[in-house]
Amino acid sequence: GAVVSQHPSWVICKSGTSVKIECRSLDFQATTMFWYRQFPKQSLMLMATSNEGSKATYEQGVEKDKFLINHASLTLSTLTVTSAHPEDSSFYICSARPFPSYNEQFFGPGTRLTVL
Amino acid sequence: GENVEQHPSTLSVQEGDSAVIKCTYSDSASNYFPWYKQELGKGPQLIIDIRSNVGEKKDQRIAVTLNKTAKHFSLHITETQPEDSAVYFCAARAYTGTASKLTFGTGTRLQVTL
Repeated sequence: GAVVSQHPSWVICKSGTSVKIECRSLDFQATTMFWYRQFPKQSLMLMATSNEGSKATYEQGVEKDKFLINHASLTLSTLTVTSAHPEDSSFYICSARPFPSYNEQFFGPGTRLTVL
Repeated sequence: GENVEQHPSTLSVQEGDSAVIKCTYSDSASNYFPWYKQELGKGPQLIIDIRSNVGEKKDQRIAVTLNKTAKHFSLHITETQPEDSAVYFCAARAYTGTASKLTFGTGTRLQVTL
C-alpha cells in the first residue's frame, strides 16, 4: 500500500515551453500533497503544499506563476512548469500524505526535467 | 523555522558491519521523525519513523533512537548488505495539523562494500 506514482518519469523540452507533471496516490486518498525539487547530490527542497480543493501554499522564493499547482481531487495533483528555462532543469518529486494521517508522507518516483 | 543537521555526509562500511547516521533538530515542537532511503534516480522511500513519545523503534535490521532532551535522533543499520547502499535522509516535523511540513537533513551517502 501507500503507492505514489508520477508521470512522466522524465521529460525533455525546449526553452519557453510548458511542462505538466502528474502525481497520483494509487491506493489511498491524500488531502495534502507536496512538491519538491532536488538538485544533484542535494537534499529535497519543498516548493509548495497543496490541499485538495484549495490553493497551494508556496515556499518563500518559489514563483507561483511559474510553478502552477492544481490539486483537483483526493488522488491527483499536477505541477505545471510554465515557460521553462534551462535553470528549471531538475528532479521534481511529489509526495502525498494519506488521510487521516498527519504524519506519514509517501513519495513518488520523481520526474527528471531537462530544458534545452 | 526548523533546522535539521545530518552527519556524516558520506559513510563507507564493509558488508556485515553496522552503520549509524545522526541528526539533530532545532525546533523543540517537532514530534515526528522519519527516515528515508533514496536510490539513484528514484524518489525517497520511507524506511522507519518515530514519534516523540517513543525513545526507540526497531524494524528487523533497522532501528531509530530519539533523545528529545538533546534534540537528536539516529538511524542504526545492522548487518549491512550491498543493497543498503543509497542516500539516507532524516527529517523532522512539528505537528500543526495539515499545515505541517517535513524539514530534511542534507543526506548521508552510504556505501556498503564487499
